Amino acid sequence: GQQVMQIPQYQHVQEGEDFTTYCNSSTTLSNIQWYKQRPGGHPVFLIQLVKSGEVKKQKRLTFQFGEAKKNSSLHITATQTTDVGTYFCLNTGNQFYFGTGTSLTVIP
Amino acid sequence: KAGVTQTPRYLIKTRGQQVTLSCSPISGHRSVSWYQQTPGQGLQFLFEYFSETQRNKGNFPGRFSGRQFSNSRSEMNVSTLELGDSALYLCASSLNRIGYGYTFGSGTRLTVV
Repeated sequence: GQQVMQIPQYQHVQEGEDFTTYCNSSTTLSNIQWYKQRPGGHPVFLIQLVKSGEVKKQKRLTFQFGEAKKNSSLHITATQTTDVGTYFCLNTGNQFYFGTGTSLTVIP
Repeated sequence: KAGVTQTPRYLIKTRGQQVTLSCSPISGHRSVSWYQQTPGQGLQFLFEYFSETQRNKGNFPGRFSGRQFSNSRSEMNVSTLELGDSALYLCASSLNRIGYGYTFGSGTRLTVV
């Protein structure tokens, strides 16, 4: 079945630094949703990307969908301690495939 | 408005038993999906229901089943529990999968002993 690989698995950054996580697939993705899960919490929906090459922004967060719809990325500018958590991508095709997640630690 | 409610929050079962987990979606949401989350395997898709019909199913054995009622509430059942079924089971609801994100419940923590 389709696998969505997400890199890096872990990322430690100093507060104020930028952060990027990538989701990659060997097959074409359908629609990509991004979620954030705080430690001990449940995933919270951030955004959905549908179109090839789509770029969406939410304040310091920028989401991109690759031109070939085989990858997606989430970029956070000037991280803050409130950004701590694990970020997941979710491909909502015939089956739903979550990426493996990137755990972000922000060092004050 | 009320969020997605999952009951029970915690459950301890013995190997070989069966268990039923319940999920009440946000009012008006017709799509409900279920996930298993473990440290080793991450988040894995179990199944998705829309208007009482199972639309999609993940790669889990037949011991895992579910259903959705006319009021959109959903249940999942695991029969003949195995130690490896210990996990956090998450339910999520959406108006529809296209164009809308999923709102997750807090999950049911199942421990099989």
